[in-house]
Amino acid sequence: AQKITQTQPGMFVQEKEAVTLDCTYDTSDPSYGLFWYKQPSSGEMIFLIYQGSYDQQNATEGRYSLNFQKARKSANLVISASQLGDSAMYFCAMREEGFQKLVFGTGTRLLVSP
Amino acid sequence: GAGVSQSPRYKVAKRGQDVALRCDPISGHVSLFWYQQALGQGPEFLTYFQNEAQLDKSGLPSDRFFAERPEGSVSTLKIQRTQQEDSAVYLCASSWETGEETQYFGPGTRLLVL
Repeated sequence: AQKITQTQPGMFVQEKEAVTLDCTYDTSDPSYGLFWYKQPSSGEMIFLIYQGSYDQQNATEGRYSLNFQKARKSANLVISASQLGDSAMYFCAMREEGFQKLVFGTGTRLLVSP
Repeated sequence: GAGVSQSPRYKVAKRGQDVALRCDPISGHVSLFWYQQALGQGPEFLTYFQNEAQLDKSGLPSDRFFAERPEGSVSTLKIQRTQQEDSAVYLCASSWETGEETQYFGPGTRLLVL
């Protein structure tokens, strides 16, 4: 069964610093995709970054990078140069091959202080 | 608009009332998903459509929940005889086609059952 674990309920970071949000996953399927979404207080889930299980390189999208360690089954999100607007809930999610649904973790609330 | 839209944004219902939640996916998106997000939790999958066909409804919590997408575009999630435990945010997402990795989410409908 698919499972996503996010062990950090809350994280604090100062503006302009980097922060790592942890995500571990459990699957027996060799083919899967990992996603990170941002959910501001407005409620909409905003797609940030995607990593495929067969991708050789870690995914990057602007200030976001995904630290993918397949053997450890971890897919941590790194946000560089934090901005005040990064304050939000962050969700890690997985989709297994052959399934369309996303399975989400419980999220991490990030607060960026000036 | 270019994104997924949902209406109403907020709905208050008395226990036992029926409610209908609407989702307008991104134009041309084949796949449509409904998720339920309880307070403080990650979204949980409810059901999935490919065009007008409902291919997966394994996440619907009871037979009081019903979803349709009759013309393969707009979708409606209906909850009959609402209960307090139905209070949640209902998120709709769409993607281009089966296998497309990224699901794009709407702002959600926040349902409160009194």
